[in-house]
Amino acid sequence: GAGVSQSPSNKVTEKGKDVELRCDPISGHTALYWYRQSLGQGLEFLIYFQGNSAPDKSGLPSDRFSAERTGGSVSTLTIQRTQQEDSAVYLCASSRRGGGIDTQYFGPGTRLTVL
Amino acid sequence: AQSVTQPDIHITVSEGASLELRCNYSYGATPYLFWYVQSPGQGLQLLLKYFSGDTLVQGIKGFEAEFKRSQSSFNLRKPSVHWSDAAEYFCAVGSYGGSQGNLIFGKGTKLSVKP
Repeated sequence: GAGVSQSPSNKVTEKGKDVELRCDPISGHTALYWYRQSLGQGLEFLIYFQGNSAPDKSGLPSDRFSAERTGGSVSTLTIQRTQQEDSAVYLCASSRRGGGIDTQYFGPGTRLTVL
Repeated sequence: AQSVTQPDIHITVSEGASLELRCNYSYGATPYLFWYVQSPGQGLQLLLKYFSGDTLVQGIKGFEAEFKRSQSSFNLRKPSVHWSDAAEYFCAVGSYGGSQGNLIFGKGTKLSVKP
């Protein structure tokens, strides 16, 4: 079946602009996660959606970052007023039930470059 | 604090040689442990996972890992490395409880394979 998909695969933007990154999880998966992968910091957790529960936003680095998940499926990660330090690969993952014991399936990522 | 340490940033082995990638974790409760592999430009693929039971777990592509509670370790092994195994390997612990559900990753070990 189809895996997790993300779009765009690459995004180049200018400092100060807003960007939106999209994630389509595996059909039927109730949990969705966003991570950021950068050279200096490795893989960092950003936000976790589980069903209709309030998302765990504990990993968001600043209030410029936000995410929503519409209809329990597609998710959009928005970064406002982008900064150069936001340059990274943004990975989305989904899992069947959620929780730290459930296998997470990752998408190919969106590479964001802020000039 | 919960953490995962992968002491080796980069390892080079000859094709056909055995491999062991080290992983140490710090987690207050029973850990749920994962190894993922990331090929260049790709997302993360699950190699294997440990939840409970037999401490030696088998994964895909001929990999195995052994959970040692006394050493807080979950080292990844392969008896004979193939050139296609060249990639970056990430150890992770699943965070759970309350609203948590994310993975906490180590910094990764990059594996190079000499012909």
